[in-house]
Amino acid sequence: ELQLVQSGAEVKKPGESLKISCKGSGYSFTNYWIGWVRQTPGKGLEWMGIIYPGDSDTRYSPSFEGQVTISADKSNSTAYLQWSSLRASDSGLYYCARLADFWSGFDYWGQGALVTVSS
Amino acid sequence: DIQMTQSPSTLSASVGDRVTITCRASQSINTWLAWYQQKPGKAPKLLIHKASTLESGVPSRFSGSGSGTEFTLTISSLQPDDFATYYCQQYNNFFRTFGQGTKVEIK
Repeated sequence: ELQLVQSGAEVKKPGESLKISCKGSGYSFTNYWIGWVRQTPGKGLEWMGIIYPGDSDTRYSPSFEGQVTISADKSNSTAYLQWSSLRASDSGLYYCARLADFWSGFDYWGQGALVTVSS
Repeated sequence: DIQMTQSPSTLSASVGDRVTITCRASQSINTWLAWYQQKPGKAPKLLIHKASTLESGVPSRFSGSGSGTEFTLTISSLQPDDFATYYCQQYNNFFRTFGQGTKVEIK
């Protein structure tokens, strides 16, 4: 069964670092783009960026470039989203999702990881 | 960035109604558009890609149309399972954006 399983909820303080994960199984992890999407009550769904685990080609939304880092470990079939210094505005529900192919939508999604940043 | 604007933001309808949601792009995206359905507490589900291609397993009461800058998602006969929030997403290039969502509520 194809699955994307994300790491659990996190509660952090402003200024702290964080790395959340998304482990793929049931398919060839290196052959499909993985993306990250943020959901917040105020802004809905926001597309953050995508990575191709086969060669680590990574593209960021201009809104998130420089704010987060997307990476992947193909030996472990896991994609990551990390912050070096969190802000309260980074709070939200973060999904990873697989692109069916480059010219399509996200066909499989993780369960989401809630990140709360509060002093 | 390409901006995606959905209308309406909220739609009240009854079981059996025909429902249409519109999505407009700030510039032409050919037919590089997907539609998703999201229910509370769940991840979005891909319904349609390339503006009108139904995903496997999606009921045929769902259909999509449009090209360029204007697109529609139609539910021909609303069913109880269809009350949810619907999002469009453009993928004209690497930088993909979502619409703000349309919540379909029970009238």
